[in-house]
Amino acid sequence: KNEVEQSPQNLTAQEGEFITINCSYSVGISALHWLQQHPGGGIVSLFMLSSGKKKHGRLIATINIQEKHSSLHITASHPRDSAVYICAVLTNAGGTSYGKLTFGQGTILTVHP
Amino acid sequence: NAGVTQTPKFRILKIGQSMTLQCAQDMNHNYMYWYRQDPGMGLKLIYYSVGAGITDKGEVPNGYNVSRSTTEDFPLRLELAAPSQTSVYFCASSLSGINYNEQFFGPGTRLTVL
Repeated sequence: KNEVEQSPQNLTAQEGEFITINCSYSVGISALHWLQQHPGGGIVSLFMLSSGKKKHGRLIATINIQEKHSSLHITASHPRDSAVYICAVLTNAGGTSYGKLTFGQGTILTVHP
Repeated sequence: NAGVTQTPKFRILKIGQSMTLQCAQDMNHNYMYWYRQDPGMGLKLIYYSVGAGITDKGEVPNGYNVSRSTTEDFPLRLELAAPSQTSVYFCASSLSGINYNEQFFGPGTRLTVL
């Protein structure tokens, strides 16, 4: 079983729909990241959160530390939101100064006009 | 600022050939990372560096080598290319390690080994 599991693996939506992508993890973490990978391949960081909820424009990320679960929501989805969304958890790698990132396999989102 | 740059964007190698993937950042970040991304899989850490002169292995280091002679540059070397190294390679950097807020990624290098 992977340490980080995302669902669904593929998601198709119509423009304007509310989107939810889920991330579950099995290890203790210090933070969780949501990343976006554009169709051209570039990766950008969307959020880093360790508790509660963060909002940026139409994107909302929530995390429940007790349940080891995070969700990424997109309100009023648009075709330009089509991308791969990646969840990654940050753990302390055995007492070193390096924080290890473990990535989910990604969720492929396609939003049709 | 250019951020994190990688060269080349694409490369085809024959089995047994060698090459170096270049990575540079101009943000004065201490931490730099090399990942590989295989289809349907999450990114896997190959090597990382916490500063000039200091490197360490990640999850999948076999077949690769790195060096960090300056803060800006973190090249990844493939000595004897194998088909299993066909992948997309991403370099990334961050200001610090455990408590960083964001990791900045380069555009990626798509490598095919035939």
